[in-house]
Amino acid sequence: QVQLVESGGGVVQPGGSLRLSCAASGFTFSSYGMHWVRQAPGKGLEWVAFIRYDGSNKYYADSVKGRFTISRDNSKNTLYLQMNSLRAEDTAVYYCAKDQSITIFGVVSNWFDPWGQGTLVTVSS
Amino acid sequence: SYELTQPPSVSVSPGQTARITCSGDALPKQYAYWYQQKPGQAPVLVIYKDSERPSGIPERFSGSSSGTTVTLTISGVQAEDEADYYCQSADSSTTYSVVFGGGTKLTVL
Repeated sequence: QVQLVESGGGVVQPGGSLRLSCAASGFTFSSYGMHWVRQAPGKGLEWVAFIRYDGSNKYYADSVKGRFTISRDNSKNTLYLQMNSLRAEDTAVYYCAKDQSITIFGVVSNWFDPWGQGTLVTVSS
Repeated sequence: SYELTQPPSVSVSPGQTARITCSGDALPKQYAYWYQQKPGQAPVLVIYKDSERPSGIPERFSGSSSGTTVTLTISGVQAEDEADYYCQSADSSTTYSVVFGGGTKLTVL
């Protein structure tokens, strides 16, 4: 069955960096786009970034653009999120999720299934 | 920026029907998706493409769409359905966007 396992979370000081990983198994990783979604403590879900199956296109939420970089290594079935210039407001559980999508009349619609269990990132001095 | 609006909370008694709405201007042109999240767990997809139910999701979960509002309906609510529910869609006016609603806490009385 599809399994996504995040790692790399922890406590980091404001302005610091952290790299998250998401190990995928149970499906052909190189055929699917992947997302990062985060959830601040007690808050709702916020989409962070998306990478196409081959890494050719990447998209980011405005809140992380220029600071976070999504990447993937299809030979290792692993997704990454490099987070730089971290701020207190980046404190959240970070989930990776497998992309599902459909295109109708040129309009792309994406959804997330399944999700990993998440890894907690705390930005604090 | 584009927003999806959900009620913060919905309460129902066991066996009743719960309806959770999600409103957004782009919903007539974009599919909506629904996720269930229980405390301390990752979200789980319960409805996709407005009204499709993934395998393994109980039949009591259904979705519908009308104009700028989509609705998640849970018929015959059970105690185990108590959770946060999030709708998700996209803003068709931008190159790429994913938007979540603020979430609705379903309480089973």
